[in-house]
Amino acid sequence: DIQMTQSPSSLSASVGDRVTITCRASQSISSYLNWYQQKPGKAPKLLIYAASTLQSGVPSRFSGSGSGTDFTLTISSLQPEDFATYYCQQSYSSPYSFGQGTKLEIK
Amino acid sequence: EVQLVESGGGLVKPGGSLRLSCAASGFSFSSYSMDWVRQAPGKGLEWVSSISSSSGYIFYADSVKGRFTISRDNAKNSLYLQMNSLRAEDTAVYYCARRYVDNPGDPLDYWGQGTLVTVSS
Repeated sequence: DIQMTQSPSSLSASVGDRVTITCRASQSISSYLNWYQQKPGKAPKLLIYAASTLQSGVPSRFSGSGSGTDFTLTISSLQPEDFATYYCQQSYSSPYSFGQGTKLEIK
Repeated sequence: EVQLVESGGGLVKPGGSLRLSCAASGFSFSSYSMDWVRQAPGKGLEWVSSISSSSGYIFYADSVKGRFTISRDNAKNSLYLQMNSLRAEDTAVYYCARRYVDNPGDPLDYWGQGTLVTVSS
């Protein structure tokens, strides 16, 4: 099974900051990497798929990169609505594992 | 508008059974793969199971294999999760989610609001 490891587990940042979250797969997953945002009490929302493709309607301040085993999610200028928990997920092979999450908090 | 509405959650004793349903609307349900994902209280997301549009492929997490069964009824636009031999560690909010199209490598682009399953004596 493929293990997904995110870092950091939590992050404090300010509005306007540039933030990067990393996700590492235990084996190569090509570009089969997706990023989701989840706010408290809500369902996850797809942000980026295939490592770098922005889902329709998602602001362009979100971007993704990487392939193989190492991936990043970058938010170029944090907005108040971006404070949430972010998860990566590999869709390369079953079981389609998620990372443990990165909680982004206001500094 | 794509809508996914889960139902069937509740309180069940260890060893008991429960059947979750997910009613889909706003898209051609029979053309999409569907998944179940769960989230234990205060914890992260855990993928549970996937089923292709025609039920031709089905996958399970090791943690539920042999106890849970995913199925779908395309005529009723519905997805199901039959959960047997429930354990305390199955306590979670269960989400149904749609795959982008019908490929195993697709992301989950729409999610329901979730239904809470509590396994406790």
